[in-house]
Amino acid sequence: GENVEQHPSTLSVQEGDSAVIKCTYSDSASNYFPWYKQELGKRPQLIIDIRSNVGEKKDQRIAVTLNKTAKHFSLHITETQPEDSAVYFCAAQSGGYQKVTFGTGTKLQVIP
Amino acid sequence: GAVVSQHPSWVICKSGTSVKIECRSLDFQATTMFWYRQFPKQSLMLMATSNEGSKATYEQGVEKDKFLINHASLTLSTLTVTSAHPEDSSFYICSAPGQGASYEQYFGPGTRLTVT
Repeated sequence: GENVEQHPSTLSVQEGDSAVIKCTYSDSASNYFPWYKQELGKRPQLIIDIRSNVGEKKDQRIAVTLNKTAKHFSLHITETQPEDSAVYFCAAQSGGYQKVTFGTGTKLQVIP
Repeated sequence: GAVVSQHPSWVICKSGTSVKIECRSLDFQATTMFWYRQFPKQSLMLMATSNEGSKATYEQGVEKDKFLINHASLTLSTLTVTSAHPEDSSFYICSAPGQGASYEQYFGPGTRLTVT
């Protein structure tokens, strides 16, 4: 089955700096890579996603890059703000109607 | 947008009793739903795939006789934790796939189970 590794497990940045979280996946059948933000006691919230036929996607301060050959994908958050503090999960999925395999999570702390 | 609800949002039960958690798709039909479990400071781990009108598919290591799943309609899946023990205390979250060309999963708000 799919295995998704994520690092770092914790990340502290100063407000305004950038944050980068990296993930690798194992199953070449995975073709959809969502990123979730989860606040304590709440459901995961989709913040950005990318399909395998795209190398990069950007939405305001958030961007995701995908290297399908190396099975790597990364989340980039620029101009971080205190409200970006949360746990972030990368994930992999092999198409619609399929289960989501989550990474181990990164606790991001943005220091004001 | 697609909305998934869960009930209850939190529940406390005594060891040895059973508890049922409901997952509903409110504005769309879901032939498939997924059940995840999340322990404190850990990731979400898939427990099982719930299929409308057929048996659930359980992930390796998940006891199907302990975690009973029933997907009786296109909008409702239930997870029953039988003979609950303190180690079953966790955050249980369901999800349903999006419709059409969307690959997005829609997550319920989760159920916090505490077994005393």
